[in-house]
Amino acid sequence: GAVVSQHPSWVICKSGTSVKIECRSLDFQATTMFWYRQFPKQSLMLMATSNEGSKATYEQGVEKDKFLINHASLTLSTLTVTSAHPEDSSFYICSARLPGLAVPYEQYFGPGTRLTVT
Amino acid sequence: GNSVTQMEGPVTLSEEAFLTINCTYTATGYPSLFWYVQYPGEGLQLLLKATKADDKGSNKGFEATYRKETTSFHLEKGSVQVSDSAVYFCALYNQGGKLIFGQGTELSVKP
Repeated sequence: GAVVSQHPSWVICKSGTSVKIECRSLDFQATTMFWYRQFPKQSLMLMATSNEGSKATYEQGVEKDKFLINHASLTLSTLTVTSAHPEDSSFYICSARLPGLAVPYEQYFGPGTRLTVT
Repeated sequence: GNSVTQMEGPVTLSEEAFLTINCTYTATGYPSLFWYVQYPGEGLQLLLKATKADDKGSNKGFEATYRKETTSFHLEKGSVQVSDSAVYFCALYNQGGKLIFGQGTELSVKP
């Protein structure tokens, strides 16, 4: 149980275009999802917290107009990188938290999406 | 603020060697502590956790003990296998409801 999928697993886009990444919780409902960015040989950096039915909360330094997050249902959150540039190339990872307060720290991670902007 | 520091990699060991990956943290209060593992081409998986001081988390032969006095949560395994080759992340869960990760340590086990 507690499986999270991401689509696509990798994508190449041209500079100036937008790309959407999907994150789905397959066997549970996730009221809260998280988006991380991982640079090569570096840690995961939290970009934003996505709550179903409300606006995402962005971490300091993350451009909300560039990284659009939509959590339209209890099983789907999307990250859209708008007007992508080569410096946006990275590995994007989502996670989903089980509902309820018993284990607030329990997050399940997707396999990640490799974005390359040319 | 909250932070996690891990030993730098890559760590290269022979099969059946003893493994230690050091992890120390800085946090207010008493955070929950975790080790995650990322196998090549896959997402992060929770390996083990400890939620209070002196707790020992264990899974798949790996162990880590929550040491409040040294603010550490070192990962150990008595005999590593080639299949343990992966990147290991130490993390804490802070009062703000966020996971804070260390920089990751790459482990390579040679036959």
